[in-house]
Amino acid sequence: RKEVEQDPGPFNVPEGATVAFNCTYSNSASQSFFWYRQDCRKEPKLLMSVYSSGNEDGRFTAQLNRASQYISLLIRDSKLSDSATYLCVVKDSNYQLIWGAGTKLIIKP
Amino acid sequence: GAGVSQSPSNKVTEKGKDVELRCDPISGHTALYWYRQRLGQGLEFLIYFQGNSAPDKSGLPSDRFSAERTGESVSTLTIQRTQQEDSAVYLCASSWQRNTGELFFGEGSRLTVL
Repeated sequence: RKEVEQDPGPFNVPEGATVAFNCTYSNSASQSFFWYRQDCRKEPKLLMSVYSSGNEDGRFTAQLNRASQYISLLIRDSKLSDSATYLCVVKDSNYQLIWGAGTKLIIKP
Repeated sequence: GAGVSQSPSNKVTEKGKDVELRCDPISGHTALYWYRQRLGQGLEFLIYFQGNSAPDKSGLPSDRFSAERTGESVSTLTIQRTQQEDSAVYLCASSWQRNTGELFFGEGSRLTVL
C-alpha cells in the first residue's frame, strides 16, 4: 500500500461545476498536509495548506479527516484554468514530505 | 534571483555519459530538495539538504547519483554513466526551513538519455 494515494483520474468536469477529490494517507502520525497544483509540463506550486479545522481560499476548500486518514479538496464554480494535476503532500513526524502521484482534473467548456 | 533557477532546462545525452544538473535556490532558503519526475508519474524524492547538516540521501536510487551543496547556495546533481531509465524531469525546490511544507520549485531540468 502506498503511503499517500490519490485517484489518478482524469476527472472530466463541465465549467461551473463543483468537483471534489480525496487523498488518503497511511501514517496516522502524519503532521501536516498540503495541496499542490501542477500544470502540464510545469513545476508544482503550493495551492493551500490543510488545517485541522479545514480552510477555504476563494473557490477552494480543503478538509482533513484524521479519523479516516484522508484529506479532500473541493473546487466550486470550476474554471477552465483549474485544469491541472492536483498533488497531495503529507509531512510525517520525521519532516519527510510524501507526495501523492496526483489527480488530473480537466475542466471542459 | 526571484525564484529557483535550474540549468540546463533540457539535456539530451547518450547512454553511459555523465551529466550535471544545477540548482540555484531562493536566497535565504536553507532547505533544498531534489526530486525526479518521470512522465505521467508523481515526484520521487532524491536528496535533501538543510544548511550545513548532513544531507538526507535516502532517495538516491543508485550510487551513480550524487549531489553536493555548499552551505546555503548552489547545488549540483550528478548522474554518472547515465541509463535510459534516468530519463525524467529533475526538479529542485527550496524552502525557508525543513519544518514547512511550502516548497518553491524550479522549472526543472528535462533529461533524455538516448
